[in-house]
Amino acid sequence: ILNVEQSPQSLHVQEGDSTNFTCSFPSSNFYALHWYRWETAKSPEALFVMTLNGDEKKKGRISATLNTKEGYSYLYIKGSQPEDSATYLCASSSGNTPLVFGKGTRLSVIA
Amino acid sequence: EPEVTQTPSHQVTQMGQEVILRCVPISNHLYFYWYRQILGQKVEFLVSFYNNEISEKSEIFDDQFSVERPDGSNFTLKIRSTKLEDSAMYFCASSVRQGPGELFFGEGSRLTVL
Repeated sequence: ILNVEQSPQSLHVQEGDSTNFTCSFPSSNFYALHWYRWETAKSPEALFVMTLNGDEKKKGRISATLNTKEGYSYLYIKGSQPEDSATYLCASSSGNTPLVFGKGTRLSVIA
Repeated sequence: EPEVTQTPSHQVTQMGQEVILRCVPISNHLYFYWYRQILGQKVEFLVSFYNNEISEKSEIFDDQFSVERPDGSNFTLKIRSTKLEDSAMYFCASSVRQGPGELFFGEGSRLTVL
């Protein structure tokens, strides 16, 4: 069974700080890696879908990298703002199987 | 912007009762999914649906669960006889195609079984 782990479980940062968190997944038979941003009482929203080893994607102040050989992805937030406060979910699939999610990293940005 | 909508947002039911959760996926999407998250645990895959039939289901999706697309827009999840452990947030999602593309999620339906 594919297992996706995220760390840390939660994180508190000051406004303006940059931060990053990790998603690890099985590297064998890798197919795709997703990052979602989930604000309370809203729907999870896709940030990135990554498939290629070494891929780097960026959306505003948020970026992600992917290492499929060692089975990890990093999500970076530069200059955190209070509106970045959310749970960041990572999900992976292997061989076109359904997405398997990690537990998420809950980020709180303190003004 | 098109979005996935789910109803109800919250349902409280007695153990043993039937529950139907409803979803309206994005109109041009072809693949539909149900996921759930029990409080404090991971988001778990339940079932995927394409071309009016189940394409994949997890071990969680036993005989108590069923899905249906009764018309061109709704996608429903039925739990025939709810158990306490069915209490969770149930998410509907849709995608244009299978494969690595992103999923579009609804806001979820919180089910509380008493």
